[in-house]
Amino acid sequence: SQTIHQWPATLVQPVGSPLSLECTVEGTSNPNLYWYRQAAGRGLQLLFYSVGIGQISSEVPQNLSASRPQDRQFILSSKKLLLSDSGFYLCAWRLEGNRPNTEAFFGQGTRLTVV
Amino acid sequence: AQSVAQPEDQVNVAEGNPLTVKCTYSVSGNPYLFWYVQYPNRGLQFLLKYITGDNLVKGSYGFEAEFNKSQTSFHLKKPSALVSDSALYFCAVRPAAYSGGYQKVTFGTGTKLQVIP
Repeated sequence: SQTIHQWPATLVQPVGSPLSLECTVEGTSNPNLYWYRQAAGRGLQLLFYSVGIGQISSEVPQNLSASRPQDRQFILSSKKLLLSDSGFYLCAWRLEGNRPNTEAFFGQGTRLTVV
Repeated sequence: AQSVAQPEDQVNVAEGNPLTVKCTYSVSGNPYLFWYVQYPNRGLQFLLKYITGDNLVKGSYGFEAEFNKSQTSFHLKKPSALVSDSALYFCAVRPAAYSGGYQKVTFGTGTKLQVIP
């Protein structure tokens, strides 16, 4: 069966420090991968998505970047964190191709607090 | 542009009573519709989806949802609420027509369900 791992679960980082959040998927191949941010426990904002290795699309210009060095690995990074980067970050995967009716599977999330 | 509206920020229901969480959508063409649930400090979990066919869709944990094309709605329902159903619920939509490339999924802002013992 497929599983998704996301770590760390919580992170407290000072302003100006770098960030690296990692997400890996097991039990599937060539998934579409996503990074979302959830502010104040509510709506989801899509940050990045990837349809393949090295293919990253950004939905919102910001202080963050993403990379996909391997088929089932998705990394969210920042060189210098801002206070506004605080939030709950969620990684998700979905098998797509020509099937837009598939549901997404989410990781457990990372609570990032920038101080 | 596609959109999802969850008009109720919070829904309170007594344990054992039926519950409804509302969702309306706007999308070009036919929709694919999804419901997800999120418990505190956890990721979203898939509950059910409407693709085509029967307008009443059954999902996990006794939840069901009714697709109404004329009202562009996809309300989540459960006949008898449990305290353990208390969580944040998200509705999502994407267009059914495949036009190549990435098809954006739009999530609603979420509805907090509080089941009172």
